[in-house]
Amino acid sequence: NAGVTQTPKFQVLKTGQSMTLQCAQDMNHEYMSWYRQDPGMGLRLIHYSVGAGITDQGEVPNGYNVSRSTTEDFPLRLLSAAPSQTSVYFCASSLLAGSYEQYFGPGTRLTVT
Amino acid sequence: AQSVAQPEDQVNVAEGNPLTVKCTYSVSGNPYLFWYVQYPNRGLQFLLKYITGDNLVKGSYGFEAEFNKSQTSFHLKKPSALVSDSALYFCAVRVNTGGFKTIFGAGTRLFVKA
Repeated sequence: NAGVTQTPKFQVLKTGQSMTLQCAQDMNHEYMSWYRQDPGMGLRLIHYSVGAGITDQGEVPNGYNVSRSTTEDFPLRLLSAAPSQTSVYFCASSLLAGSYEQYFGPGTRLTVT
Repeated sequence: AQSVAQPEDQVNVAEGNPLTVKCTYSVSGNPYLFWYVQYPNRGLQFLLKYITGDNLVKGSYGFEAEFNKSQTSFHLKKPSALVSDSALYFCAVRVNTGGFKTIFGAGTRLFVKA
């Protein structure tokens, strides 16, 4: 049981480049989400999904796209990278109810130059 | 607006002493409250949660937290701190509006000195 996995661990992009951050979980969790962590700001929700084929925006969705074609995978796409997107990105999953805790991946550290 | 506040950026405590990391929240309805811990270069790990019932909840690694509805607080506590407890701690509230979104506090860095 690998839990939540993320790839890559580190990435450097140039402004304007695009890329996909991968996230997978093997716990059959309905709920998956993407956060970015910036110093002094906690974690901010980018996008989330409550099941395959269903996604919705969080508080900071601009510049990011997501899709959920399977229960296991929830990739995050950066359409045209900007320096403001330099951050650490975490994927998380949980069962579908507010009372359940989230399980987090190890994170992807992204630098945009 | 729904929010979570962790009023201390950093808490310093000596090993063996009790520790408290503070958290207050502002949400509508009954909240689901969580504490997570983050060690350097790692993802967040779940520590404990309050859903309903007893106001004192116990979690991993000897941590506990007290839910106080009148003060809208959920402070994290441990009777005797260890150096290995040094980490970044996040309080979070999960709301049942719009897909069970979780709102995180800004985090409190705990330093335990030997």
